[in-house]
Amino acid sequence: AQTVTQSQPEMSVQEAETVTLSCTYDTSENNYYLFWYKQPPSRQMILVIRQEAYKQQNATENRFSVNFQKAAKSFSLKISDSQLGDTAMYFCAFYSNYQLIWGAGTKLIIKP
Amino acid sequence: SQTIHQWPATLVQPVGSPLSLECTVEGTSNPNLYWYRQAAGRGLQLLFYSVGIGQISSEVPQNLSASRPQDRQFILSSKKLLLSDSGFYLCAWSGPAYGYTFGSGTRLTVV
Repeated sequence: AQTVTQSQPEMSVQEAETVTLSCTYDTSENNYYLFWYKQPPSRQMILVIRQEAYKQQNATENRFSVNFQKAAKSFSLKISDSQLGDTAMYFCAFYSNYQLIWGAGTKLIIKP
Repeated sequence: SQTIHQWPATLVQPVGSPLSLECTVEGTSNPNLYWYRQAAGRGLQLLFYSVGIGQISSEVPQNLSASRPQDRQFILSSKKLLLSDSGFYLCAWSGPAYGYTFGSGTRLTVV
């Protein structure tokens, strides 16, 4: 069965610092997609970044970047120059065959 | 551009009453549609997904059902709500290159 594990239930950093959220997954598939979603207190689910498994280059979106290690089945999210608005739950997700498998989430708190 | 609408935003219903949550998508055709439930502080649990009109797959046996009467309409229903049906419900549509796009959610409280 495919699983997604986020080992950090909660993290907090000072504003402007860099923080890395970890995510590992287990699958026998070769073609799949990986995502990081952000859920602020409004509970709106917002796509932060996505990675296609066939691409070796790590995805980046402004201050957000990933470290995708396919052999290790690892997909961490790095947030640079963190801002107060980054405070949210962050979910890692794996997509294959119409199924999106979710991690349990990491609560990220950015302190002023 | 594609948009997704979900309503109502909040709902308080008595135990034993029926439920109907609606979700519609604009700007795309034949989307894959999903209903998720999220317990407080937890991840998302897939309830139903649909790859076409009238095609519903259920992931979790429960008191709920889903229907897709039109290509871009997805409805979550219950004939008789239970206290355990309380939660936050999210509708989503997907194209794999774009990930999932979520509605704004419905907070359901069964009293």
